[in-house]
Amino acid sequence: QQQVKQSPQSLIVQKGGISIINCAYENTAFDYFPWYQQFPGKGPALLIAIRPDVSEKKEGRFTISFNKSAKQFSLHIMDSQPGDSATYFCAASSSSGYSTLTFGKGTMLLVSP
Amino acid sequence: DVKVTQSSRYLVKRTGEKVFLECVQDMDHENMFWYRQDPGLGLRLIYFSYDVKMKEKGDIPEGYSVSREKKERFSLILESASTNQTSMYLCATTFGRRQGGVDEQFFGPGTRLTVL
Repeated sequence: QQQVKQSPQSLIVQKGGISIINCAYENTAFDYFPWYQQFPGKGPALLIAIRPDVSEKKEGRFTISFNKSAKQFSLHIMDSQPGDSATYFCAASSSSGYSTLTFGKGTMLLVSP
Repeated sequence: DVKVTQSSRYLVKRTGEKVFLECVQDMDHENMFWYRQDPGLGLRLIYFSYDVKMKEKGDIPEGYSVSREKKERFSLILESASTNQTSMYLCATTFGRRQGGVDEQFFGPGTRLTVL
């Protein structure tokens, strides 16, 4: 059972455009939703995260939008740059238990110059 | 800065061999995790440990075991490697379970294991 569904699998965006990646979850116990960024040859690194008490969180060019009723959240990358080309993973966790992360399958983003 | 190191970047083993993958962290983190990463499947949790000598199964523990004898070191063991265990293996750590909180996971660079 895939608990976090991520789309699209791959995405090509022109430089300066907006990249949008979507995730949907099923487990209503999830209360922490991070996005990880992975460059080739590196491990993933935390990019930005949100909790369900807010509907949006912005850090620089990166914004998470969260819709609790729809059980969906998305990552928006404004003014996308070639340096943003990477694989992005959404994830979800519950603060009860051991706080393990359930990851989406990932989105390969390519920003063309 | 948190540093998570993995013993090898690339490893080639033969079917049936016993394989050890080691992960070491230098920040006194309590929780350590092993994932495998496969194209189109994302990151899947194999095992995790929240304390020395403690371990919990993740989503795909079959064919794997783990060992945590010291707080800073977490080993993933493939008792008898098979070709379907060819994958990228990632280790991660977190400080510990905070009251009502979830910690950032810090990842190592990964070990790409090929089983022939």
